[in-house]
Amino acid sequence: RKEVEQDPGPFNVPEGATVAFNCTYSNSASQSFFWYRQDCRKEPKLLMSVYSSGNEDGRFTAQLNRASQYISLLIRDSKLSDSATYLCVVRSNDYKLSFGAGTTVTVRA
Amino acid sequence: DTGVSQNPRHKITKRGQNVTFRCDPISEHNRLYWYRQTLGQGPEFLTYFQNEAQLEKSRLLSDRFSAERPKGSFSTLEIQRTEQGDSAMYLCASSPGASGGDTQYFGPGTRLTVL
Repeated sequence: RKEVEQDPGPFNVPEGATVAFNCTYSNSASQSFFWYRQDCRKEPKLLMSVYSSGNEDGRFTAQLNRASQYISLLIRDSKLSDSATYLCVVRSNDYKLSFGAGTTVTVRA
Repeated sequence: DTGVSQNPRHKITKRGQNVTFRCDPISEHNRLYWYRQTLGQGPEFLTYFQNEAQLEKSRLLSDRFSAERPKGSFSTLEIQRTEQGDSAMYLCASSPGASGGDTQYFGPGTRLTVL
């Protein structure tokens, strides 16, 4: 079983729509949680950290459910520039990141 | 540009050849990581340095792979006797360490193609 599992999508949404997706992780001792964004043939870039209380960054809202071991990301008012692969990331110890395979989002005009 | 840099950006080699990649981390970041990413997958952890000390190697890192960070600054990843299965994007990341929030910042990667 993979440490982090994500719905690969693709999620194909019109501009202005809301899109949400989540991932699950297997290690209950995981310490920190993140969403990274990766554009085609580019490196992953940190989108936001995910906190137990839930957190927002502009149009992006992340939630963590430790009991069920899942993490979610919601994008409101989608822009064309939001088209990317979103990687769910879990840190299980002091330094090692475990990545999901990514969820592809395509926002169409 | 003060981000993580990697060279070369692309490498095409024949099976059986040796290749070496270089990573220059963000200045003063004492942690450095190597990951490998294949098409349709997320990055997979390969190895981790705290300054010049290599503190963990994934079981993905066979004996043909070796990584160094001799002075605690740049790092090299060498693959000996390359195989077609080594074709992937090799990503380097650096972070400031636990006291600095420890966000990992990735370089642009080296795309390896083994023919």
